Amino acid sequence: AQSVSQHNHHVILSEAASLELGCNYSYGGTVNLFWYVQYPGQHLQLLLKYFSGDPLVKGIKGFEAEFIKSKFSFNLRKPSVQWSDTAEYFCAVETSGSARQLTFGSGTQLTVLP
Amino acid sequence: GAVVSQHPSRVICKSGTSVKIECRSLDFQATTMFWYRQFPKQSLMLMATSNEGSKATYEQGVEKDKFLINHASLTLSTLTVTSAHPEDSSFYICSARSSLNQPQHFGDGTRLSIL
Repeated sequence: AQSVSQHNHHVILSEAASLELGCNYSYGGTVNLFWYVQYPGQHLQLLLKYFSGDPLVKGIKGFEAEFIKSKFSFNLRKPSVQWSDTAEYFCAVETSGSARQLTFGSGTQLTVLP
Repeated sequence: GAVVSQHPSRVICKSGTSVKIECRSLDFQATTMFWYRQFPKQSLMLMATSNEGSKATYEQGVEKDKFLINHASLTLSTLTVTSAHPEDSSFYICSARSSLNQPQHFGDGTRLSIL
């Protein structure tokens, strides 16, 4: 079975700092990769996804992520964070089988200080 | 677009009560809906996958007689926690997907507290 690791449980940054959140997965086959964000009191929202093609994907709100197949990684980046980016970020992996179920990482709480 | 509504947002009830949670896709037809459970400071754990008109597929360790799932239409799935006990207290989240090549869209979740 696949698993997803997010090594940073809580990240605290000042506004304008650069962000990189790590995500590694274990699965030997083809995967689809996602980053979801959950703002306080809100539902999970899709930030970006990778299905195939260019391994550098751009999402909403200035976020991007790079799929490095050899490292089984899909790290999330943003060059300059804002206070409004304070949220919990979840990496998720979907295998290409018929069920297409998501396996989530444990999440990273990002706190951006004004 | 792609809005998923989950109701109720919060339930507090006595032990032994059955609780029904609804999940609706408001602006798309959901061929597949998923039910997750999230414990504090932990990730979402998939409980079951349900396809419209079919029996739900439960993950290992999830009691299907305890967590009844119905997906009777392309826009509605329900999760009923039967004879709920304090250990069933948790945050339950549904998601819906229109097709295999589309991402899942999530509801706001239901905070269930069993006294």
